[in-house]
Amino acid sequence: NAGVTQTPKFQVLKTGQSMTLQCAQDMNHEYMSWYRQDPGMGLRLIHYSVGAGITDQGEVPNGYNVSRSTTEDFPLRLLSAAPSQTSVYFCASSYSTGGGYGYTFGSGTRLTVV
Amino acid sequence: GDSVTQMEGPVTLSEEAFLTINCTYTATGYPSLFWYVQYPGEGLQLLLKATKADDKGSNKGFEATYRKETTSFHLEKGSVQVSDSAVYFCALNTRRDDKIIFGKGTRLHILP
Repeated sequence: NAGVTQTPKFQVLKTGQSMTLQCAQDMNHEYMSWYRQDPGMGLRLIHYSVGAGITDQGEVPNGYNVSRSTTEDFPLRLLSAAPSQTSVYFCASSYSTGGGYGYTFGSGTRLTVV
Repeated sequence: GDSVTQMEGPVTLSEEAFLTINCTYTATGYPSLFWYVQYPGEGLQLLLKATKADDKGSNKGFEATYRKETTSFHLEKGSVQVSDSAVYFCALNTRRDDKIIFGKGTRLHILP
């Protein structure tokens, strides 16, 4: 039972490069989301999805794209990386029951943009 | 709007000390409340939760009681260990959707 799997764990990008952060869950969760964690800022919601084919913006969506073609996968795309996107990124999932069960988190991707 | 406020850290305690991390919230209705823990280099893990007023969530010696009258959900542990050193996040879900709103986290250091 893998839970939520994020890849890669670490990545260094040059300014202007693009990349995709992968997130997969095997719990048949309908709800998936991406957060970024920065010192002193807590967790900020980037994008979320309530089911396959449905995505929506969170608090800080600029510079990021998502898609949800299957229940299991929710990749996050950085279109043109900027130093301000240096952060730790977490994917989370849950049953779609109003959040009462809480989230299961992946172990994170530490991204550095130089 | 809906929000969570928790005490700023870092909090430094000696082993076997009593721990309290304060958390208050602002939300309409009756939100679900959570505490998450993040150990160094890892993702967040659900520590405990409470879904209605006066409920007490507990896990691994940690407890928190849902206080509707004071809109609080303070985290307590009677005797902390070095292994409890981590960042603790208070959070809520309004039940209007699946989004969880997190506090900014409190870093806890336990000295041997």
